[in-house]
Amino acid sequence: QLQLQESGPGLVKPSETLSLTCTVSGGPISSSNYYWGWIRQPPGKGLEWVGGIFYSGSTYYNPSLKSRVSLSVDTSKNQFSLKLSSVTAADTAVYYCARPKMNYYGSGTTCWFDPWGQGTLVTVSS
Amino acid sequence: SYELTQPPSVSVSPGQTASITCSGDKLGDKFVYWYQQKPGQSPVLVIYQDSKRPSGIPEQFSGSNSGNTATLTISGTQTMDEADYYCQAWDSSTAVFGTGTKVTVL
Repeated sequence: QLQLQESGPGLVKPSETLSLTCTVSGGPISSSNYYWGWIRQPPGKGLEWVGGIFYSGSTYYNPSLKSRVSLSVDTSKNQFSLKLSSVTAADTAVYYCARPKMNYYGSGTTCWFDPWGQGTLVTVSS
Repeated sequence: SYELTQPPSVSVSPGQTASITCSGDKLGDKFVYWYQQKPGQSPVLVIYQDSKRPSGIPEQFSGSNSGNTATLTISGTQTMDEADYYCQAWDSSTAVFGTGTKVTVL
């Protein structure tokens, strides 16, 4: 059974870079057809997609965050990572890693998320 | 950018049926997904591709999608179904989540 676990600093200073890693267990990160992604949730608010990366490096990003987000994959460690630069208090959130499932069908593409990691709270504060 | 709108809250009596709507422009042309999130926990997929249930999800959860509205229906609602529910779709290479609905069983 696939499991995902986030790790990284719980406190980041404003204007610095937030860095998180997701460790995947129960299967190789280089499996075909699977992207690996990040979703965040500010305290008391809804879910916001951050972006996703295929093991070969192709990516999808939330347009509102694209200029500040960088995703990477380390197949040797079965991990993928998120970097979010120039953070502000608005970036305070629980960050979840998840496996996006992409499905290509006649009239387009669809994507959903399953499973999810347990999430990690990142607070941006001086 | 694409938006999905849900009612902030839905209340239901134990054993009754709860219906949660998700509205978006021509939503019926896309696949819709539903997630359940209990307090302090990560979201769990309960419906995928409009109406399919993942393995392990009870039959009480069902979904539909047509026109501009998708609906998640919870039949025979129990106190353990109290949670936030989010719809999600994929539009222009972007995942879009709904605003979320808090289901209260009382």
